[in-house]
Amino acid sequence: AQSVTQPDIHITVSEGASLELRCNYSYGATPYLFWYVQSPGQGLQLLLKYFSGDTLVQGIKGFEAEFKRSQSSFNLRKPSVHWSDAAEYFCAVGVPGTASKLTFGTGTRLQVTL
Amino acid sequence: AAGVIQSPRHLIKEKRETATLKCYPIPRHDTVYWYQQGPGQDPQFLISFYEKMQSDKGSIPDRFSAQQFSDYHSELNMSSLELGDSALYFCASSQTQGARETQYFGPGTRLLVL
Repeated sequence: AQSVTQPDIHITVSEGASLELRCNYSYGATPYLFWYVQSPGQGLQLLLKYFSGDTLVQGIKGFEAEFKRSQSSFNLRKPSVHWSDAAEYFCAVGVPGTASKLTFGTGTRLQVTL
Repeated sequence: AAGVIQSPRHLIKEKRETATLKCYPIPRHDTVYWYQQGPGQDPQFLISFYEKMQSDKGSIPDRFSAQQFSDYHSELNMSSLELGDSALYFCASSQTQGARETQYFGPGTRLLVL
């Protein structure tokens, strides 16, 4: 079965600073990988996704993520954080196939200081 | 763009009561997923339906049942509610495209069991 690890429970960055959120997965082959963001009490918004091909994927709100097969990682990055980026970020893995469930990591809470 | 619709958005029930949560997928999406997110937890997969047939089942209690109807909307029925069922329940939908599926989440239904 697949699993996801987000090592950082809570991260604080200053507005304008760069950001990297870590995500490691466990799966026997290349899974489908996703990053979702959740503001307090809100739903999950898709930031970006990786299926195959180019290992650097661009998402919404200036986010990008890089798939590294050798490290089983899919880290999320943003060059300059805005205060509105404060939220909970979830990495998720899906198994290639039809109607495949997502397995989520435990999330990283991002706090942005002004 | 149309999004996933969930109703009700908030629900308060007493122990041992029943609850029905509804999900209306994005138009032309053929797959629906249900997830449960406890306080401070990551979303946990409950059950999914593809073309009105159950496609996968996760950690869904026997007290819960779900189905997908001919118009592709789905309902999650929860009986004999327990305090521990208090959570945010998400519905997600996707369109099967050669198995490269992306799940889009609704805003969730917040269930409080007293």
